[in-house]
Amino acid sequence: EAQVTQNPRYLITVTGKKLTVTCSQNMNHEYMSWYRQDPGLGLRQIYYSMNVEVTDKGDVPEGYKVSRKEKRNFPLILESPSPNQTSLYFCASSPLTSLVNTQYFGPGTRLTVL
Amino acid sequence: KNEVEQSPQNLTAQEGEFITINCSYSVGISALHWLQQHPGGGIVSLFMLSSGKKKHGRLIATINIQEKHSSLHITASHPRDSAVYICAVANYGGSQGNLIFGKGTKLSVKP
Repeated sequence: EAQVTQNPRYLITVTGKKLTVTCSQNMNHEYMSWYRQDPGLGLRQIYYSMNVEVTDKGDVPEGYKVSRKEKRNFPLILESPSPNQTSLYFCASSPLTSLVNTQYFGPGTRLTVL
Repeated sequence: KNEVEQSPQNLTAQEGEFITINCSYSVGISALHWLQQHPGGGIVSLFMLSSGKKKHGRLIATINIQEKHSSLHITASHPRDSAVYICAVANYGGSQGNLIFGKGTKLSVKP
């Protein structure tokens, strides 16, 4: 089954404790992206990747890191999480190195930073 | 001013009604996406448009590039259509991979 998976789905952590949210897709998509969703602000793009070893900042990259060593995986790293990073996070992927294609979204990761 | 504006923010309809959700944007775009977010939180891509009109079942999406405006129509609405509908644009003038989102329209269809 074609899908985007994220792990964990729910995470409660404390300020400053490094964490990684994994994202994996099995559709051989070049493009992958991370978004956060907050009440009243909607979805905002954090980072995206057009292909392996190619990443770029979205609108809200501060406090986050990403890497794209393999085509299927695009982990989101919070090296020193803070309470303002409490949010619902989505990973997405899409075929071809262009945004003129349908995006496939993961199920979301709800992160709480205390 | 937000670069992508949706209206209305909230919409309540009776089952069977024709529904229109609007999206206006202020930047040059290469594509516009309509997404549906279910009450459980999952997001599904409904349409990607760069011109004209697309139809899928009871859903119709249109875009007017000159007016920088898109509409999502739902015919014969049903309670299962209750969701948040989100418009997103791929910014032609900006970085190729950058998506900008509207804040969403929350639709509730009553039986």
